[in-house]
Amino acid sequence: SQQGEEDPQALSIQEGENATMNCSYKTSINNLQWYRQNSGRGLVHLILIRSNEREKHSGRLRVTLDTSKKSSSLLITASRAADTASYFCATLPRAGSYQLTFGKGTKLSVIP
Amino acid sequence: DAGITQSPRYKITETGRQVTLMCHQTWSHSYMFWYRQDLGHGLRLIYYSAAADITDKGEVPDGYVVSRSKTENFPLTLESATRSQTSVYFCASCKVQPNQPQHFGDGTRLSIL
Repeated sequence: SQQGEEDPQALSIQEGENATMNCSYKTSINNLQWYRQNSGRGLVHLILIRSNEREKHSGRLRVTLDTSKKSSSLLITASRAADTASYFCATLPRAGSYQLTFGKGTKLSVIP
Repeated sequence: DAGITQSPRYKITETGRQVTLMCHQTWSHSYMFWYRQDLGHGLRLIYYSAAADITDKGEVPDGYVVSRSKTENFPLTLESATRSQTSVYFCASCKVQPNQPQHFGDGTRLSIL
């Protein structure tokens, strides 16, 4: 069962533009994580945001979390061709097992 | 800085065969995970392990067997492969939960004919 659902499924932008991806989820969470996957490779962790946090930054990445709306967004500023990848959100439930549930991902293409 | 390695990277086998996918991590992480990635489904958890000799089912465990006799190894076995198990398989590990990221291997692309 999918917990996180990313939107849009695909996004194409010009180099230098900002890219925003959204994630919605259904149940209470302990934390929400964003991962990047380059073609043919494994997932790489980007940012983890706890349920009591509202915003987090890492370099050109900005993640927000709105637990009242059960949603999160990932903003990549000043995008580069190297940012071309699929981006996944994953949620860890507040209670119970330590199983991350991944969404289906947003495929980002940055055109040089 | 070896990290987490999966082998083989590619595997072709036939239905009914047994196949084992290997996963090895050098960080001594407590938790290890097996996922499968399929178009239209994203990543789905097959099995996970909280420590050596402790394993538990994930979302899609049927047809798979795991073991964890050593902290660093977490092999996944398909006892009698079926075509529906054609997929890309990812192994991951992390320190004690909950607020720790997972570290992924580069995957095994498995085709079952």
